[in-house]
Amino acid sequence: KAGVTQTPRYLIKTRGQQVTLSCSPISGHRSVSWYQQTPGQGLQFLFEYFSETQRNKGNFPGRFSGRQFSNSRSEMNVSTLELGDSALYLCASKEQGIYNEQFFGPGTRLTVL
Amino acid sequence: DAKTTQPPSMDCAEGRAANLPCNHSTISGNEYVYWYRQIHSQGPQYIIHGLKNNETNEMASLIITEDRKSSTLILPHATLRDTAVYYCIVRVAHGSGNTGKLIFGQGTTLQVKP
Repeated sequence: KAGVTQTPRYLIKTRGQQVTLSCSPISGHRSVSWYQQTPGQGLQFLFEYFSETQRNKGNFPGRFSGRQFSNSRSEMNVSTLELGDSALYLCASKEQGIYNEQFFGPGTRLTVL
Repeated sequence: DAKTTQPPSMDCAEGRAANLPCNHSTISGNEYVYWYRQIHSQGPQYIIHGLKNNETNEMASLIITEDRKSSTLILPHATLRDTAVYYCIVRVAHGSGNTGKLIFGQGTTLQVKP
């Protein structure tokens, strides 16, 4: 099976703009989670989608949002970008079932100028 | 989810065993210990998990103390490619805890040296 894919891999935006990142999970995986990684805060959970519904949400402002489509692909959107949003955004998918591990994609590197 | 404590960094000689400790003194009876690693600029990679018995797979071994308050990840023959940040995570793995949410700490940076 193909792994988790994320597009684009690199992105440069300016403050105030918005951005949409895309994630395609492993085939058959219905859970998709998003994480933000910065040097200062480390890896932080943003939210999780399962069967097109948000199942969990981390402690991020409402500027961060996401959605999941019927084919399990997911997008996350960040509006009104701030300099502090510069980060590596990681997507992970997992099968529904106990103990199953998460598979992470390579991430999207977002730089906000 | 219980909190974990790991040393910030460790060195290991290539070919030797790398033993990475993790303290999780507040772990609950239904929480599992998971280990992930992140090689520079890549997404984290699952390594192994366990509840109370020692576990081994093709990548590593996991030793959990009898009181479950600490564990050790063992890479039996470390190579330069094992240089990475290793994260120990404690979480409920079933029922309402069977979600994609992982709480990462700061992890241990393992440097394997030739």
